[in-house]
Amino acid sequence: NAGVTQTPKFQVLKTGQSMTLQCAQDMNHEYMSWYRQDPGMGLRLIHYSVGAGITDQGEVPNGYNVSRSTTEDFPLRLLSAAPSQTSVYFCASSPRQGQNIQYFGAGTRLSVL
Amino acid sequence: RKEVEQDPGPFNVPEGATVAFNCTYSNSASQSFFWYRQDCRKEPKLLMSVYSSGNEDGRFTAQLNRASQYISLLIRDSKLSDSATYLCVVNIPADSSYKLIFGSGTRLLVRP
Repeated sequence: NAGVTQTPKFQVLKTGQSMTLQCAQDMNHEYMSWYRQDPGMGLRLIHYSVGAGITDQGEVPNGYNVSRSTTEDFPLRLLSAAPSQTSVYFCASSPRQGQNIQYFGAGTRLSVL
Repeated sequence: RKEVEQDPGPFNVPEGATVAFNCTYSNSASQSFFWYRQDCRKEPKLLMSVYSSGNEDGRFTAQLNRASQYISLLIRDSKLSDSATYLCVVNIPADSSYKLIFGSGTRLLVRP
């Protein structure tokens, strides 16, 4: 069972570089979201999507873009990486928005130098 | 004020002890509540949902107090394997939908 798959697991970027964190789920879930987790802190919501073609901002959206062209995929784009974006990023999916449990990917550890 | 607040701990308890965590939330319109467990450098995993009438799953009991806007998690007969960070999760109304907001977590250390 694949569940939620995130790639890459680790990434090092230089300031100003751009990249896309990939997230895919094979459970036909409507709701997907991206979180970041910094040391000693909980997960902060970056962006979320309640279905294909629909995205919305979370608590900390600045510096990140998302799109949801299919139900399965929800990539997160860093347009111009900054050291403040060094974090662990988790993607999650849920059968429907906000009401059900969320299934998490294994995370992407990103360092921006 | 944060939307979801937890005592960061750590709670350091001996095996066999009973320990309780609280989590407060600010939005009275929240309808769904959960406890997640996160092991070091791993992704969060659902521990249990929290129902209005309270619910129990083995050694774990979750309760909701809507009047005071907090949820609690009670762990009885603590095991070494219970050592982890426990995250409180609350859904917050957002426009015509909801979004899930995580607390910063409470760290539990169970010692032999």
